[in-house]
Amino acid sequence: GIQVEQSPPDLILQEGANSTLRCNFSDSVNNLQWFHQNPWGQLINLFYIPSGTKQNGRLSATTVATERYSLLYISSSQTTDSGVYFCAVLIPETSGSRLTFGEGTQLTVNP
Amino acid sequence: KAGVTQTPRYLIKTRGQQVTLSCSPISGHRSVSWYQQTPGQGLQFLFEYFSETQRNKGNFPGRFSGRQFSNSRSEMNVSTLELGDSALYLCASSLGTDSQFFGPGTRLTVL
Repeated sequence: GIQVEQSPPDLILQEGANSTLRCNFSDSVNNLQWFHQNPWGQLINLFYIPSGTKQNGRLSATTVATERYSLLYISSSQTTDSGVYFCAVLIPETSGSRLTFGEGTQLTVNP
Repeated sequence: KAGVTQTPRYLIKTRGQQVTLSCSPISGHRSVSWYQQTPGQGLQFLFEYFSETQRNKGNFPGRFSGRQFSNSRSEMNVSTLELGDSALYLCASSLGTDSQFFGPGTRLTVL
């Protein structure tokens, strides 16, 4: 099946720094999402971005589908950005579909 | 619109018992998927329901089952609980093959 790899696995930043998280996938996809898992475990939607670039405040994402990667940019990081960031691709199957997740990037932003 | 809701939020059971978790999707969403998150295995797909039919199933034993009702609410059941079933169970809803939106999760502890 499709493989989803995220890097780096861990990232420690000082407040105000910028960062780039990467997601590589092993096959072409029609659907890619980025999530932030909050301390209580809920996955918060950041972007639905099968291709192109989107921005939402200090966050932006770019997916280059032909080269099978996506990037999540966090600018001027804040302590509330801490948590685990996941990318996930939707795999259509014979019947239905499923999200396949990467291992996540654990981000810690220190004050 | 109200988000995805899951009940209960926390649950403690003992080995051999069974448990039922509930998920109410976003209004108008007919697809509900379930995922299990553990520290060792990450986020893994359990099953997907659409219009009361199971469309897709992950690689989990038959002790894991689910169903969907006519109002799109879904339940999952785990019978004969094992210690390894301790996990965060996440439910997601979507319109189809676009963005999936997750609930807050149910944290199950098996003693």
